[in-house]
Amino acid sequence: GAGVSQSPSNKVTEKGKDVELRCDPISGHTALYWYRQSLGQGLEFLIYFQGNSAPDKSGLPSDRFSAERTGGSVSTLTIQRTQQEDSAVYLCASSPVGAMNTEAFFGQGTRLTVV
Amino acid sequence: AQSVTQPDIHITVSEGASLELRCNYSYGATPYLFWYVQSPGQGLQLLLKYFSGDTLVQGIKGFEAEFKRSQSSFNLRKPSVHWSDAAEYFCAVGKLSGNTPLVFGKGTRLSVIA
Repeated sequence: GAGVSQSPSNKVTEKGKDVELRCDPISGHTALYWYRQSLGQGLEFLIYFQGNSAPDKSGLPSDRFSAERTGGSVSTLTIQRTQQEDSAVYLCASSPVGAMNTEAFFGQGTRLTVV
Repeated sequence: AQSVTQPDIHITVSEGASLELRCNYSYGATPYLFWYVQSPGQGLQLLLKYFSGDTLVQGIKGFEAEFKRSQSSFNLRKPSVHWSDAAEYFCAVGKLSGNTPLVFGKGTRLSVIA
């Protein structure tokens, strides 16, 4: 597709359940980022993938959060044993080179609601 | 560590009026600076960016921003606001060395009234 695609667009889950969020970056983009956007909190960096390098996981808030990127393309963010404080919009971005200092292209996000 | 402060959580302006959104950053060297806009239900779109050179940068949709090193600021301006400009605006800072994620401010929500 022409842009970064995220699915699902909305997800409602029960507390304690696991969820998977998917991101399809723009074809050929080597860098992929996950951010979390909570109300009034701006964008919080979660994890960064660049090519075949080990991902930068420094932003993951707890060990319940993990992410993988298969074949250098599609990425999945997994949240285990979801908690109400995980409710947020999860945004994925990709960029053509290894830095957001060029331009990063964002998907429309997945709105996660934990009830 | 890098940080970005957007002092105004919410601003309301009249259509046709001028606009200035404030952004202050903290970073030890010359930063890369960005403004993104997020319209309701949409992803973030890059408005403009500053890397080096002319401190007044022009962006899309008639926006401009000025980098002032002495004030650690990168304020966004538009001379005449349109109703379609109502959105959330985010300032972000990046490192010269790259390979790092951008650090975003908490955003300023812009409302436009007739």
